[in-house]
Amino acid sequence: QVHLVQSGAEVKKPGASVKVSCKVSGRSLTELSIHWVRQAPGKGLEWMGSFDPEDGETFYAQKFQDRVALTEDTSTDTAYMELTRLRSDDTAVYYCTTEIAADWGQGTLVTVSS
Amino acid sequence: EIVLTQSPGTLSLSPGERATLSCRASETVTSSLGWLQQKPGQAPRLLIYGASNRATGVPARFRGSGSGTDFTLTITSLEPEDFAVYYCHHRGNWAFGGGTKVEIK
Repeated sequence: QVHLVQSGAEVKKPGASVKVSCKVSGRSLTELSIHWVRQAPGKGLEWMGSFDPEDGETFYAQKFQDRVALTEDTSTDTAYMELTRLRSDDTAVYYCTTEIAADWGQGTLVTVSS
Repeated sequence: EIVLTQSPGTLSLSPGERATLSCRASETVTSSLGWLQQKPGQAPRLLIYGASNRATGVPARFRGSGSGTDFTLTITSLEPEDFAVYYCHHRGNWAFGGGTKVEIK
């Protein structure tokens, strides 16, 4: 079974960047396609993007195309999501999950506030 | 872009009752339609994948059905732990429905 453990909560100012990590265990990161989903307070789930390990290609939701970067460190089986130029409406819980959404990280709360 | 619309927004039922949740896609989708359950303060949990297959450890009272553009999640007899928000999910473009909250009547 795949286990995903994310980094801790962050508080950032508008305009800053945040980088959230997702440590994978139970399988090699090279075998998994990791997706990132966020959830604003009281709202639904929103897909941000994914990384395909087969060809190293990343896919981003159009909404985040110019502000998000997904990377991976296969030596530590850790995936990363960096979101730049933060705004107050980026305040949300950010999740990493696997390709069929069967395994989820515990979530990372990112608060953007001046 | 496939859009998923769930109904109703809220379902008020009592333990032991049957819950029927609907998810309609804006165009025909393949069988890569799933259902997720989310409780307050927790990450989503996969219940159903491929429209009708229960994920590991999911009780038999959860049943997924449907094809084409119309899909249904049925909880045959609600247990206290089933009161939560449910999302349908299309794995093809990673779209999510807006969610149905199942609350205690």
